[in-house]
Parts: sequence; C-alpha cells; structure tokens
Amino acid sequence: GAVVSQHPSRVICKSGTSVKIECRSLDFQATTMFWYRQFPKKSLMLMATSNEGSKATYEQGVEKDKFLINHASLTLSTLTVTSAHPEDSSFYICSASRGASGNTIYFGEGSWLTVV
Amino acid sequence: GQNIDQPTEMTATEGAIVQINCTYQTSGFNGLFWYQQHAGEAPTFLSYNVLDGLEEKGRFSSFLSRSKGYSYLLLKELQMKDSASYLCAVTGTASKLTFGTGTRLQVTL
Repeated sequence: GAVVSQHPSRVICKSGTSVKIECRSLDFQATTMFWYRQFPKKSLMLMATSNEGSKATYEQGVEKDKFLINHASLTLSTLTVTSAHPEDSSFYICSASRGASGNTIYFGEGSWLTVV
Repeated sequence: GQNIDQPTEMTATEGAIVQINCTYQTSGFNGLFWYQQHAGEAPTFLSYNVLDGLEEKGRFSSFLSRSKGYSYLLLKELQMKDSASYLCAVTGTASKLTFGTGTRLQVTL
C-alpha cells in the first residue's frame, strides 16, 4: 500500500483562486518532505524542501509567496498554489524519505492541477 | 550545483537489451537513483547506487562509476510494459533529489 499519500489526485480550479495539496507520510515521521513539479513530457523539478516546524527552503526561481508550503506536523506537508493561473497547471508530486540513511525515498501519487 | 544528462528518447525491440546512460556533475554526492515513470503516474523506485559497481535486480541492473560521474541502467528481456520514462536522479544531502531530463523508452514488437 501507499507509504506517502497525496491528495487530491486531480483538481480543477478557476483562475485567481487558491488550491491546497496535501502530502502525508502514512506510517513514519518525515521531518523533511520535498515538492516537485512536472510539466508534460518533462522531468521532475524540485520546487522546495518542506521542513517540519520551520520555513520551507525554495529552489531558485520558485515564488515562495505563490507556492505556500506548510509542514505543521511530522506526517503532513501542504502545498498551496495561491492566485492560480493557467500556467500553474501541472503535475505536482511530493516525496519523503524513510530511515536515517535517507536512501529510501517514497513518492506520493501526484496531483494534477488544472487552472481554467 | 547539479547537472545531470540523459538521452531524451530511445527505442528498442521486445526481448532485447537496452542501456540507458546518465552522466552527472554534482557539488555533493550521496547516491544515484533510477526511477521508472509511466505517463501520468508517480515515479517508482528501480535502483540505488552509492558505491562503484553493478547492482543487479531481476531484469534491471544499474552501474555506477563515481570517478567518471557515470551511471547506466540496463534492461534485459524487454517487455512492452517497459515502455516508460526512466529518470536518473542524484542526491546530495538529506534526500534532496535532482532529476535528469528523463529518457523516454519505446519498446516495439
């Protein structure tokens, strides 16, 4: 079964609205989670590192005020796309690592966002 | 920073063997992953290499040379269901993955 769960799997929202995507580690605690974005036929691009109890670390070129990340507990990180525009339509996916070595990385199922 | 290169597309015949190469330049290295991704789905883990050499797992094998910044994924006895994108990813610290561009593999009859 899923080890990292992501919700919703698909969402359609109107331009100008905000949408929240959740990423949960189901049976382990994750102090760090990662959010990626993927355009069609492109590879995954790291957007930000979500840190439990502190601010997220954003990659260069990613607008922190547009992509709000909250990691309020050890099992939940959320990504909120604010004031969505059609160009924000994309596949968003999270990951979390399990174990001290960090080499066991689980991905969520991904979330398709369509902004109309 | 990280720079990871893979071929964009490859085509191979069912039953054949295909090798997908990945070269990387990183400021830090804590392992290299290969993932398979079917269209519209999350990546699925194939292999992890942190030491030089070949790791074999069924039909899939992965090789790493840290001194050369080079890895390859070897797929044997190709099946139609192997048609997918194959992503090479390098981790520096704390499970932060940097992905290559991905290689779209098309398996034909």
